[in-house]
Amino acid sequence: SQTIHQWPATLVQPVGSPLSLECTVEGTSNPNLYWYRQAAGRGLQLLFYSVGIGQISSEVPQNLSASRPQDRQFILSSKKLLLSDSGFYLCAWSSNLYEQYFGPGTRLTVT
Amino acid sequence: AQSVAQPEDQVNVAEGNPLTVKCTYSVSGNPYLFWYVQYPNRGLQFLLKYITGDNLVKGSYGFEAEFNKSQTSFHLKKPSALVSDSALYFCAVRDNYGQNFVFGPGTRLSVLP
Repeated sequence: SQTIHQWPATLVQPVGSPLSLECTVEGTSNPNLYWYRQAAGRGLQLLFYSVGIGQISSEVPQNLSASRPQDRQFILSSKKLLLSDSGFYLCAWSSNLYEQYFGPGTRLTVT
Repeated sequence: AQSVAQPEDQVNVAEGNPLTVKCTYSVSGNPYLFWYVQYPNRGLQFLLKYITGDNLVKGSYGFEAEFNKSQTSFHLKKPSALVSDSALYFCAVRDNYGQNFVFGPGTRLSVLP
């Protein structure tokens, strides 16, 4: 069966510090991968998605970036965090046609 | 462009009563429709989907949803609510051309004992 992991689970970082969040998927190959941010426990904002290694599409201009160095690995990064980057970050995967499956999320607090 | 509306921010229902969480969508082409549930500080969990076929779709935990093409709706239902159903519910749509999903803003369901 497929599983999706995210780490860390929680993170507190000062403004201006770098960020690296990691997501890995097991039990499937060539998944579509997604990064979302959720603010205040409500709607999801799609940040990035990837249909293959090295292929990243950005949905929202911001100081975040994403990379996909391996087929089942998706990384969210920032060189300098802003207060507005605080939120709940969710990674998800899907096959080409069907539903998404979400990881447990990372709670990021920028202080 | 795809869009999803969940017209109710909050739905309150008494335990044992039927519940409905509403969703309407706009998409070009045939829609793929989904419902997810989120408990506090957790990722979203997939409940059910409509791809094609019967308009009434059954999913996890006793939930079902009815696809209505003429009303472009996909309402989530459960015959008898449980307190443990209290959570945030998201409707999502994907068209059959692209790779992306569009989520509604979410509806918070509170089941009162």
